[in-house]
Amino acid sequence: DVKVTQSSRYLVKRTGEKVFLECVQDMDHENMFWYRQDPGLGLRLIYFSYDVKMKEKGDIPEGYSVSREKKERFSLILESASTNQTSMYLCASSFGGQGLYGYTFGSGTRLTVV
Amino acid sequence: GESVGLHLPTLSVQEGDNSIINCAYSNSASDYFIWYKQESGKGPQFIIDIRSNMDKRQGQRVTVLLNKTVKHLSLQIAATQPGDSAVYFCAEVRETSGSRLTFGEGTQLTVNP
Repeated sequence: DVKVTQSSRYLVKRTGEKVFLECVQDMDHENMFWYRQDPGLGLRLIYFSYDVKMKEKGDIPEGYSVSREKKERFSLILESASTNQTSMYLCASSFGGQGLYGYTFGSGTRLTVV
Repeated sequence: GESVGLHLPTLSVQEGDNSIINCAYSNSASDYFIWYKQESGKGPQFIIDIRSNMDKRQGQRVTVLLNKTVKHLSLQIAATQPGDSAVYFCAEVRETSGSRLTFGEGTQLTVNP
C-alpha cells in the first residue's frame, strides 16, 4: 500500500524552538507539498517542491522553510516556533504527470506551541 | 480572485438517505476536479475525480456532477452510511499552472442512525 508518512502524530514545542516536521513518501512522486489546516480556514499551502533541491513558496510561507535533499523526503522547518503556528500540518505528494494530479496525504501532525 | 468554495459548512442526513455536497468554483479555466474525504484525525483521502470535458462520473456509491455553465460541482453519495461521516473537500487544478490543487474549505457530513 502506497504511503505518505509523517514522523509525528502529535508534537508539543515551546515558543522559540526550532521545529522539524518530516514527511516521507514511497511512491516515487515528483511533487511534495506542506499544508496547514485550521478551523474555518481550510487547507493552506505553505511550501511545495516539484523536484529534489527545488522549493517554491505557497500562500503562507512566512515563518517556515523547507528542505528536499532526497526525492522521497520533504521537511518543514519552523525556524522559531510561535503560538500562532499551532495547527494541524499535512504533507502530500503527487506524481505530477499530465492528468495525474491527485494528492496522497499523510495522516497529519498536530503541533501545539506553548 | 480565484476560489473554490462549498455552499454549506455542515450537512446532516439520516442513514440510508442520499447525500449531496455542493461546491462552487470561480475559475472557468479549471481542467480537473477532485473530491476528498477527511475522517477525524486522518489526512484527506481521494474519493473521485472528473475532468472538465465531462459532466458526470460515477464510482462506487458516489457520483460527481460538473456544471461548467454555472461553475458548480457536486458529490452525491447514495445510501449514506455512518462511515461516510467526515469532512468533504473539493479541489481544482489548472494544467497550465502545474499540478497544484486549490482546495475548498470543506463540508462536515454527519450521518444520523
